[in-house]
Amino acid sequence: AQSVTQLDSHVSVSEGTPVLLRCNYSSSYSPSLFWYVQHPNKGLQLLLKYTSAATLVKGINGFEAEFKKSETSFHLTKPSAHMSDAAEYFCVVSVYTGTASKLTFGTGTRLQVTL
Amino acid sequence: DGGITQSPKYLFRKEGQNVTLSCEQNLNHDAMYWYRQDPGQGLRLIYYSQIVNDFQKGDIAEGYSVSREKKESFPLTVTSAQKNPTAFYLCASSRLSGSNEQFFGPGTRLTVL
Repeated sequence: AQSVTQLDSHVSVSEGTPVLLRCNYSSSYSPSLFWYVQHPNKGLQLLLKYTSAATLVKGINGFEAEFKKSETSFHLTKPSAHMSDAAEYFCVVSVYTGTASKLTFGTGTRLQVTL
Repeated sequence: DGGITQSPKYLFRKEGQNVTLSCEQNLNHDAMYWYRQDPGQGLRLIYYSQIVNDFQKGDIAEGYSVSREKKESFPLTVTSAQKNPTAFYLCASSRLSGSNEQFFGPGTRLTVL
């Protein structure tokens, strides 16, 4: 079984300050991990992915995430927030079962960016 | 441009009616998925298909049906048996091998009147 916990349902930062969105996972297998972003009434866009290569993963729009197996964490960070970063962010764990890939989504973190 | 299209963007249904949501992809992906999104609950898998003419139930398949007659198309029917169908529905596709990242369509918001 696998699960994902996004530790904050809502995060508010000022423009230009760092962003930290926290994610912990559990999995019986070696997982792939993803962060997706969703703007209001839109589909999900992939920010970055971890697939057992480098533990520090760089994504689009200046985001990055570090896979820490000992802590079972995959936190998303960005050095300086921009107003356009305001959206909902989903941490996702994927496990290949031999016949299909099963994705489990976290419940999301809404990022608010203020002036 | 390659991608996934969903139609309509907004859909209104009267209680007791079946409605069909369209999903088309031109990414040449073998696998396609339907998710339901409710506020504060993330995404939940309804159905998925890995090959034409075959599909499997996800976590919340009751009250829904799908077909996969073509590789490019994976329509979802919300039947009158679905007791609480008002939600945002997202279609996705992926390759079967590799990192298995899923690519999402823009979604359909269904409202039952």
